Amino acid sequence: AQSVTQLDSHVSVSEGTPVLLRCNYSSSYSPSLFWYVQHPNKGLQLLLKYTSAATLVKGINGFEAEFKKSETSFHLTKPSAHMSDAAEYFCVVSAPRDYKLSFGAGTTVTVRA
Amino acid sequence: GAVVSQHPSWVICKSGTSVKIECRSLDFQATTMFWYRQFPKQSLMLMATSNEGSKATYEQGVEKDKFLINHASLTLSTLTVTSAHPEDSSFYICSAAPGLAINIQYFGAGTRLSVL
Repeated sequence: AQSVTQLDSHVSVSEGTPVLLRCNYSSSYSPSLFWYVQHPNKGLQLLLKYTSAATLVKGINGFEAEFKKSETSFHLTKPSAHMSDAAEYFCVVSAPRDYKLSFGAGTTVTVRA
Repeated sequence: GAVVSQHPSWVICKSGTSVKIECRSLDFQATTMFWYRQFPKQSLMLMATSNEGSKATYEQGVEKDKFLINHASLTLSTLTVTSAHPEDSSFYICSAAPGLAINIQYFGAGTRLSVL
C-alpha cells in the first residue's frame, strides 16, 4: 500500500522568497510520485512527476522536487514565490502500474505582498 | 495538450432530482476515466473508475445506484447523481488517463453540486 504525508497544512511566504512544501511517502514498491496544484474552485493541475528517472524533477512554473529514497521524501520547492502561487498543493503517490492515486491532505500556500 | 473538460462547472438542483455531469478528454483518447469527490478543505477521494465500454468499478462505500457512471466513448464519461439529497452536495472532479501509464491522470476543472 502507498500513502503520503504532507508535513505542513499551511505555508505562508512573502512574494519573492523561496517556497518549500514537504512530503514524505510510504510505499511497498518503487513509487511514482506527483505534485498537483489546485486553485480555488478549480480542478487539479499536474506540476511535476517522478517515475524512476532523474531524482531531481523540474516542473512547470519554476517548481521542482527531489526524490530522496533514503529519506522517503519528495519535497517541492520554488526559489521565488509569486502571488499566483497561492493555492492548494497535493502530494500524490501510486505504485508504478496502479491507477489508484493516494493523495496527501494538502498544503495551503498563501503569498504575502 | 492533455485537456479534460468538465461540464457543468456549477449546478444547483432540488432534492430528489437527478444531475448529470460530463467529462470529456478534448485532445486525447482516454481508455480509463476516474471520478473523485472532494469535501471542503479536504483531499480527493476516488469514487469510481470507468473503462470505455464496460461497467464502472466503484470504491468501497460508494453507492453505484446513486452514482451512475457511463463511459460511452474514448473521450466521454458521465456521472449521474440520482435522486440527489443535500448530503450529496460536494465538489466532483473527473480525470482521464491518456495511455498505458494510467497513474498519470489529467483532471477536469470540477463540478460544484449544491442540492437544496
